[in-house]
Amino acid sequence: AQSVAQPEDQVNVAEGNPLTVKCTYSVSGNPYLFWYVQYPNRGLQFLLKYITGDNLVKGSYGFEAEFNKSQTSFHLKKPSALVSDSALYFCAVRDGGAGSYQLTFGKGTKLSVIP
Amino acid sequence: EAGVVQSPRYKIIEKKQPVAFWCNPISGHNTLYWYRQNLGQGPELLIRYENEEAVDDSQLPKDRFSAERLKGVDSTLKIQPAELGDSAVYLCASSPGQGASDTQYFGPGTRLTVL
Repeated sequence: AQSVAQPEDQVNVAEGNPLTVKCTYSVSGNPYLFWYVQYPNRGLQFLLKYITGDNLVKGSYGFEAEFNKSQTSFHLKKPSALVSDSALYFCAVRDGGAGSYQLTFGKGTKLSVIP
Repeated sequence: EAGVVQSPRYKIIEKKQPVAFWCNPISGHNTLYWYRQNLGQGPELLIRYENEEAVDDSQLPKDRFSAERLKGVDSTLKIQPAELGDSAVYLCASSPGQGASDTQYFGPGTRLTVL
C-alpha cells in the first residue's frame, strides 16, 4: 500500500520569508512524487514532480521540492513567499515500481502568507 | 491549450434524486480519472479510463454510482440515488497516457450538495 503524510494542517509564513511545506511518503517500490496547489473553488493545479534523477526538482511559480530517499520525504520549498501563494497544497505519491496509476494524496496543508 | 472542462460547477439536490456530472478532458489525453474530494481531505480516485475502457473502478460504489466514456473523449459520472454523504467536490482529471510518470491535470470540479 502507498500513503502520504502531510504533518501540518496549516503553515503560516511572513511575506518575503522562505516557506516549507512538509510531506513524507510510503511506497513499496520507486516513488513518483507530485505537488499540487488548490485555490478556493478551483481544481488542483500541478506544481512539480519527481520521477528520477536530480533530487532537487524545480517547478512552477518559483517552487521547488527536495526528494530525500533516506527520510522518505519530499518537502516543498520557496525562497521568498508571496501573499498570492496562500492556498491549499497537496502532496501525492504513486508507486512507479509497481507500474501503478493509483495516485494517493495527502490531506493537504493550508499555507497562509501574511503581508 | 484548453484545460479540463467540467460542468456544472455547482449542484444542489435533494437526497434520493439523481445527478450527473460531465467532463471534457484535455485534447489528446487518453487517460481520464474521476475523483471525489471530501471537505478537508485530498482527492480519492473513483474510476480511471484508458480511452473508452474503465480499467480501474475498484473504488467506485457501484450500487449507486456509474460512469461512461463512450467515444473515449467526454465522460459522465452519475449518482442515483444521491445520499447525504455524497456531498463533496467531484474532480475530473486527464493525462496523456504515457505511463506511471504521467502528470494528471485537473478540472475545476463540481461541488455537490445533497440536502
